[in-house]
Amino acid sequence: TQLLEQSPQFLSIQEGENLTVYCNSSSVFSSLQWYRQEPGEGPVLLVTVVTGGEVKKLKRLTFQFGDARKDSSLHITAAQPGDTGLYLCAGAGAGNMLTFGGGTRLMVKP
Amino acid sequence: DVKVTQSSRYLVKRTGEKVFLECVQDMDHENMFWYRQDPGLGLRLIYFSYDVKMKEKGDIPEGYSVSREKKERFSLILESASTNQTSMYLCASSLVTDYGYTFGSGTRLTVV
Repeated sequence: TQLLEQSPQFLSIQEGENLTVYCNSSSVFSSLQWYRQEPGEGPVLLVTVVTGGEVKKLKRLTFQFGDARKDSSLHITAAQPGDTGLYLCAGAGAGNMLTFGGGTRLMVKP
Repeated sequence: DVKVTQSSRYLVKRTGEKVFLECVQDMDHENMFWYRQDPGLGLRLIYFSYDVKMKEKGDIPEGYSVSREKKERFSLILESASTNQTSMYLCASSLVTDYGYTFGSGTRLTVV
């Protein structure tokens, strides 16, 4: 069974602060995806990283895939209240399936 | 704009009722999935399907069944609803796993 552990589980910060969310596993994944979910809605795909060591930037969000393709991080620069939500990482592994992490609930206070 | 549409946003049902949750996607995706999401437990896979009339059990299939008669439609059935099935139900579809899943907006089901 492939497991993905996300940390921290909860994060409450002030607007303008930086933060990093981590996603770790002992398994190798062919790709790693990050989703954001707002209250009452389904998760929305933010990015997919597929190459070990890959870094992708989406405005103030920076995503990194570990060299061994077992871990990933999401860094947000100068967080804004609009970044509030549940962030989920998901790894693509055996059987054409995604394994989801437990999520990081982020609250950015004005 | 590509979409996964779940028929109801909120649903309240009585214990013992048979409940149907409908999901339709317009992206011609082969793969469709049903998850439930509960606080502290994350997303748990109930059933998935890779093709019409094909279904596979996920991690928590007990008390549920599914139907996929057409490629675009994947239905989740609660045979006899129980209070422990109160949850947020999410449907998703994908073409290739590495490209990611598209989720519906979810159905918040309350069983009383």
